[in-house]
Amino acid sequence: RKEVEQDPGPFNVPEGATVAFNCTYSNSASQSFFWYRQDCRKEPKLLMSVYSSGNEDGRFTAQLNRASQYISLLIRDSKLSDSATYLCVCSGTYKYIFGTGTRLKVLA
Amino acid sequence: SQTIHQWPATLVQPVGSPLSLECTVEGTSNPNLYWYRQAAGRGLQLLFYSVGIGQISSEVPQNLSASRPQDRQFILSSKKLLLSDSGFYLCAWNLRQGAFEQYFGPGTRLTVT
Repeated sequence: RKEVEQDPGPFNVPEGATVAFNCTYSNSASQSFFWYRQDCRKEPKLLMSVYSSGNEDGRFTAQLNRASQYISLLIRDSKLSDSATYLCVCSGTYKYIFGTGTRLKVLA
Repeated sequence: SQTIHQWPATLVQPVGSPLSLECTVEGTSNPNLYWYRQAAGRGLQLLFYSVGIGQISSEVPQNLSASRPQDRQFILSSKKLLLSDSGFYLCAWNLRQGAFEQYFGPGTRLTVT
């Protein structure tokens, strides 16, 4: 079983739609959680950290469920520019484990 | 503000040739430094991480090595490249203590022929 698992997609959604991604992790000792965005042939860029209480940044909402060991990302009012691969990340003190990513395509 | 540099941006090397990729960070001190590889269509694989000068931890046994000769410099090397070494090599940093977010350099795309 992979340490971090994501549905690879692609998720094809129309502009303005709401889309949600889930990610499960196997190491219950994981300390920190993040969502990154990666555009084609580019480096990953931090989208947001994920806190136990849940957090929101504009159209993006992230949540953590430690009991069930999953994190989620909700994107509201999707834009064409949101098309990318979204990577789920779990970390301990030094080691970061990346999921293989969920691909999102927002269609005009 | 902090900046991370990687070079070269792209590289085409024959099998059996040596490799040296360099990463430098500006605007911070004592960062944790990381090397990752991303094969085509795959996730990021952690190769090495370093918590200080001369301190390297290897995650995957292979023909690659890493060195940290200065606080903000991280080098990835190989004496003889294999076809399977092709991929997108990414350097990342984060603060040694406190914040855990990682920030990536622009990457080096390596093709071994």
